[in-house]
Amino acid sequence: QQQVKQSPQSLIVQKGGISIINCAYENTAFDYFPWYQQFPGKGPALLIAIRPDVSEKKEGRFTISFNKSAKQFSLHIMDSQPGDSATYFCAASTSGTYKYIFGTGTRLKVLA
Amino acid sequence: KAGVTQTPRYLIKTRGQQVTLSCSPISGHRSVSWYQQTPGQGLQFLFEYFSETQRNKGNFPGRFSGRQFSNSRSEMNVSTLELGDSALYLCASSWETGPGTEAFFGQGTRLTVV
Repeated sequence: QQQVKQSPQSLIVQKGGISIINCAYENTAFDYFPWYQQFPGKGPALLIAIRPDVSEKKEGRFTISFNKSAKQFSLHIMDSQPGDSATYFCAASTSGTYKYIFGTGTRLKVLA
Repeated sequence: KAGVTQTPRYLIKTRGQQVTLSCSPISGHRSVSWYQQTPGQGLQFLFEYFSETQRNKGNFPGRFSGRQFSNSRSEMNVSTLELGDSALYLCASSWETGPGTEAFFGQGTRLTVV
């Protein structure tokens, strides 16, 4: 019940295309869902995060869509660029803690 | 503003030894959490500290321990190292424990056990 399932494991997208990464969770106590971006040799960096009281959040080219009833959330990267090539992790936690349960990661490659 | 600083960046140890990793959080941050990242298991939560108190602990053996000092700096210790402890150890700091406050990660300490 503590798992966060992430798909796909890897993704190849053409420059300018839309990258979509999906995550699903079971624990309904989760109420904070961040997405992290990680480049090789670096620590994860927060991209965008959402709470269950909204169904969508957009920041620049990055959008989170959240479906509370289905217990699913997804990251959309619009106009994908080669510089977006990285590994993306979804995560979930409950209020008052930084005990994040991370998904297994998606390796994104954007072709120039 | 300096980010989360982890030292050392790289470490090679022999099986059976012990190791101590250090994390200096962003100035003013009081919460520090630790994660282990491996290709096989991904990012796994180790423990979380707030104001020198351990608030949460992940499913790791007792060989893994940590502490937080009054200046919020944190250390984690792994005793009797095993080959499987080879991983990137990441520290994250946060301002407070309120909902939706983000965690900032350091670059990690790459531990290799030989």
